[in-house]
Amino acid sequence: GEDVEQSLFLSVREGDSSVINCTYTDSSSTYLYWYKQEPGAGLQLLTYIFSNMDMKQDQRLTVLLNKKDKHLSLRIADTQTGDSAIYFCAEDPYNDYKLSFGAGTTVTVRA
Amino acid sequence: DVKVTQSSRYLVKRTGEKVFLECVQDMDHENMFWYRQDPGLGLRLIYFSYDVKMKEKGDIPEGYSVSREKKERFSLILESASTNQTSMYLCASSPPLTGTMNTEAFFGQGTRLTVV
Repeated sequence: GEDVEQSLFLSVREGDSSVINCTYTDSSSTYLYWYKQEPGAGLQLLTYIFSNMDMKQDQRLTVLLNKKDKHLSLRIADTQTGDSAIYFCAEDPYNDYKLSFGAGTTVTVRA
Repeated sequence: DVKVTQSSRYLVKRTGEKVFLECVQDMDHENMFWYRQDPGLGLRLIYFSYDVKMKEKGDIPEGYSVSREKKERFSLILESASTNQTSMYLCASSPPLTGTMNTEAFFGQGTRLTVV
């Protein structure tokens, strides 16, 4: 399978911006995804970006895509305690929804 | 509200037991998936199914099998549980991709299986 890489931990102060980085491997992926997993819960789609886009903004969330470097980032503005969760980057290299996930970044928001 | 339901949140089984993990979705989705989630490894695909009675191996199928007799139900079977199968298991479903229209995978809450 493909290797999607992301850092494992991020600690951020409440009110600051969080930036979670991801590198993926397959340039043929049509969509790239960010999923959020809150404690004790399954994964929930947070946002996604189409591969022909450089940026997508959705309220407090901004996704940046650098196809040349195969780099994806998620920025959360004005981070709140409810944003504490594990965030997974995922790609769909065969465009059939067999997603390849990164290891997940645990975001801890401190007061 | 869309829902993917896994029958158990927590299971404890003994080594060598046959284990069934059940997943039901109420969205009439064609695609269903079983992943396992381990710290530092993310989610890894075990098996998936694109239709009733269809199944295909994912990245780590060894030690597992699946059954999809009805569209809404996808079962994961551990024929003879081993301690290295202690993990969180997540079921997901999605409609088929159509052209460039994105679709979302919906996940269940997960079953934390401990094999002792």
